Amino acid sequence: EAGVTQSPTHLIKTRGQQATLRCSPISGHTSVYWYQQALGLGLQFLLWYDEGEERNRGNFPPRFSGRQFPNYSSELNVNALELEDSALYLCASSLVVRRETQYFGPGTRLLVL
Amino acid sequence: AQSVTQLGSHVSVSEGALVLLRCNYSSSVPPYLFWYVQYPNQGLQLLLKYTSAATLVKGINGFEAEFKKSETSFHLTKPSAHMSDAAEYFCAVSKETSGSRLTFGEGTQLTVNP
Repeated sequence: EAGVTQSPTHLIKTRGQQATLRCSPISGHTSVYWYQQALGLGLQFLLWYDEGEERNRGNFPPRFSGRQFPNYSSELNVNALELEDSALYLCASSLVVRRETQYFGPGTRLLVL
Repeated sequence: AQSVTQLGSHVSVSEGALVLLRCNYSSSVPPYLFWYVQYPNQGLQLLLKYTSAATLVKGINGFEAEFKKSETSFHLTKPSAHMSDAAEYFCAVSKETSGSRLTFGEGTQLTVNP
């Protein structure tokens, strides 16, 4: 069974640009979560999507947004990139009946210059 | 708000020695608790989870953890360390009332010496 996949693996942008990160959940999983792992800040919850709706978001500005598609894959968009957005962005998925158990993808490493 | 504290950002053990990674949580009700491992340049892999069943939880790769409500702890142990266990370990907590978000500890970097 394929795990959570993310693309691209690496992304380099300049300040002010927009970044789009993609995530495909494990087959059968309908909930998708995004986390940011920034140096010195640890792992922080960003967003949770379930059944195509944003269910919860962490303490991040509105320029962090995303969506979930009918096939349950998800996109994370970061607008007006800032240097401090450089981080590893991890996507996780879970079954709707086991939301507490999340399985993670390999991440997208975003570097903002 | 719930939180997780991992005692010791770096732990070093010899190959074959006991591994003990400490995690304490603060929560008003028994939460779900997890240990994840992150190898260099990779995502997080679920090691084990506590979801209010047995207090001693066995995970993958020979790891186990014991939920102790009286101590609000969920320490991770492995009887005999292998070189391949060198990685960063994260304790995490979740409650349904928090929207299923995981709150992570700051991580413990485990070094295994030959």
